[in-house]
Amino acid sequence: GAGVSQSPSNKVTEKGKDVELRCDPISGHTALYWYRQSLGQGLEFLIYFQGNSAPDKSGLPSDRFSAERTGGSVSTLTIQRTQQEDSAVYLCASSLRASGGALQETQYFGPGTRLLVL
Amino acid sequence: AQTVTQSQPEMSVQEAETVTLSCTYDTSESNYYLFWYKQPPSRQMILVIRQEAYKQQNATENRFSVNFQKAAKSFSLKISDSQLGDTAMYFCAFMRGRGGKLIFGQGTELSVKP
Repeated sequence: GAGVSQSPSNKVTEKGKDVELRCDPISGHTALYWYRQSLGQGLEFLIYFQGNSAPDKSGLPSDRFSAERTGGSVSTLTIQRTQQEDSAVYLCASSLRASGGALQETQYFGPGTRLLVL
Repeated sequence: AQTVTQSQPEMSVQEAETVTLSCTYDTSESNYYLFWYKQPPSRQMILVIRQEAYKQQNATENRFSVNFQKAAKSFSLKISDSQLGDTAMYFCAFMRGRGGKLIFGQGTELSVKP
């Protein structure tokens, strides 16, 4: 696989429903990041994984948001009981590793999932 | 806490001309990296250029170059010979050394006009 892939590309859901967003990083990249891009808030960090552990979850906006990563590869971001303010583009990025200089730490982004909560 | 500021919400330039996008940041860290990303209407974030804070030499990538002024905490992007395909939102981003999150500026929307 050439780049970071995300699915679905677009998701429309009703308020109160749960959604799962998937990210498949570049093969061999051990670090994975989730960001949210919305009109009012710009680009915000959500969570970062090194391997399967999450050293930094500081950007998750509420306990309705959770993420996991299994096998050091694919990650799923879950939003429970969605609210209208969760509408945004969710971007995933990966890097070779999280410690090792600018080249290895450069983050490469997927195309994003546009979430609309009605 | 680190902050990144892009003071130009919108800019336009004629095709083949040169344009400079501004970015300032605030940090007390000594080891960090700076990036410019481009986001066209397709919304795919694309790396344009990166700079290590410990390197005094300004990074260049073909038509793209930066003016990195560490003391002034300034990191501007110069695009030479602008092309229609350069039309996009440009984000300046800061990363503390040894991994972790990118902190983004608000973005500058660049339009290249024929």
